Amino acid sequence: GDSVTQMEGPVTLSEEAFLTINCTYTATGYPSLFWYVQYPGEGLQLLLKATKADDKGSNKGFEATYRKETTSFHLEKGSVQVSDSAVYFCALISGGSNYKLTFGKGTLLTVNP
Amino acid sequence: NAGVTQTPKFQVLKTGQSMTLQCAQDMNHNSMYWYRQDPGMGLRLIYYSASEGTTDKGEVPNGYNVSRLNKREFSLRLESAAPSQTSVYFCASSASGRLWGNTIYFGEGSWLTVV
Repeated sequence: GDSVTQMEGPVTLSEEAFLTINCTYTATGYPSLFWYVQYPGEGLQLLLKATKADDKGSNKGFEATYRKETTSFHLEKGSVQVSDSAVYFCALISGGSNYKLTFGKGTLLTVNP
Repeated sequence: NAGVTQTPKFQVLKTGQSMTLQCAQDMNHNSMYWYRQDPGMGLRLIYYSASEGTTDKGEVPNGYNVSRLNKREFSLRLESAAPSQTSVYFCASSASGRLWGNTIYFGEGSWLTVV
């Protein structure tokens, strides 16, 4: 079945540091890939997505590139801010499961001033 | 911009009690979902409704029932709450049940504790 593996947290960085959160997947067919963010006390919000190989999703300074050869979709940001502190979820939808988003376990990011 | 609204936000139940979580969306979406979020587990799909009048089981449906009351509303019922149902519950909706290429929007969550 489909699965998403993302790096275990928590991740603690200083402001302006470089961020990478690794995400790899296994899926039936050709999945669409997503990063969701959950700020404290809030629901999940779509951060970015990519629907085909070599696509780069980007939003709010975050980027992730769909790498089919390595089945990866790593999240990166060049300079994090305190306001980026949140839980980040990698997720996928595969052609074999149109109604079901498969989520990774989430990575807690804390950015200190 | 209400989006997806769910109530209550917090609830404490005793084992064996019943309750209903309410969800409504104002985006005229066809499909709605209930997920639960547990520490270290990510989100897991409980039930979904691809369109008004239909409901289907997701990954972890045991102990729950759902009702798609109309296009806007999708409720989740716990008939006899158990401590294992202590979790954060998220309602979500999307324009189409075919999530490929569509965006799913989440509510702010309902924190449920069963003692």
